Amino acid sequence: DVKVTQSSRYLVKRTGEKVFLECVQDMDHENMFWYRQDPGLGLRLIYFSYDVKMKEKGDIPEGYSVSREKKERFSLILESASTNQTSMYLCASSSGLAGGYEQYFGPGTRLTVT
Amino acid sequence: AQTVTQSQPEMSVQEAETVTLSCTYDTSENNYYLFWYKQPPSRQMILVIRQEAYKQQNATENRFSVNFQKAAKSFSLKISDSQLGDTAMYFCAFMKHSSGDKLTFGTGTRLAVRP
Repeated sequence: DVKVTQSSRYLVKRTGEKVFLECVQDMDHENMFWYRQDPGLGLRLIYFSYDVKMKEKGDIPEGYSVSREKKERFSLILESASTNQTSMYLCASSSGLAGGYEQYFGPGTRLTVT
Repeated sequence: AQTVTQSQPEMSVQEAETVTLSCTYDTSENNYYLFWYKQPPSRQMILVIRQEAYKQQNATENRFSVNFQKAAKSFSLKISDSQLGDTAMYFCAFMKHSSGDKLTFGTGTRLAVRP
């Protein structure tokens, strides 16, 4: 079974803190994604990566950065957390065309910034 | 830019009945994929069904089937013989073929199956 894990299910941080959200997948997938999920807005893509050390901006990259030093790990960084970044963050991975473009999701991290 | 619209924020269905979730999308692309994902309460999101735009035949996965109307840009999900385990948020998603895996999601429909 494909497994995507995220470092925390729940996280509470203070405004201005630097926050790291980590995602690990065990299926040797090339592609990894970070989304945020908000009620009434669905999922919105923050960043994605097609290979180690490669990254591309998604639809809402402002206030975020990412790091992919190893194929299995994709980190989302909030350089200076703000209250409007309180949200559910979902990580996903896929093997692209080889897997029919199916994305496998992690359990999510519910981040609260106070 | 592509947009995906799910006009039903919440729906309810009796166990064993059939329910249809609506999804429309806007694109100028001709080659694309459409997906329905399911997010059960407190559980991970999983793929339910996918449709390739060039295929005229509607996709089917067991009790789940789609009604894909390309000209109308409509992609509805039909769940037959609804089960309690179908209770979840359902998201419709669009991917243009040239963008690789990049998905655009709708806002979701919360489905409750009543016993």
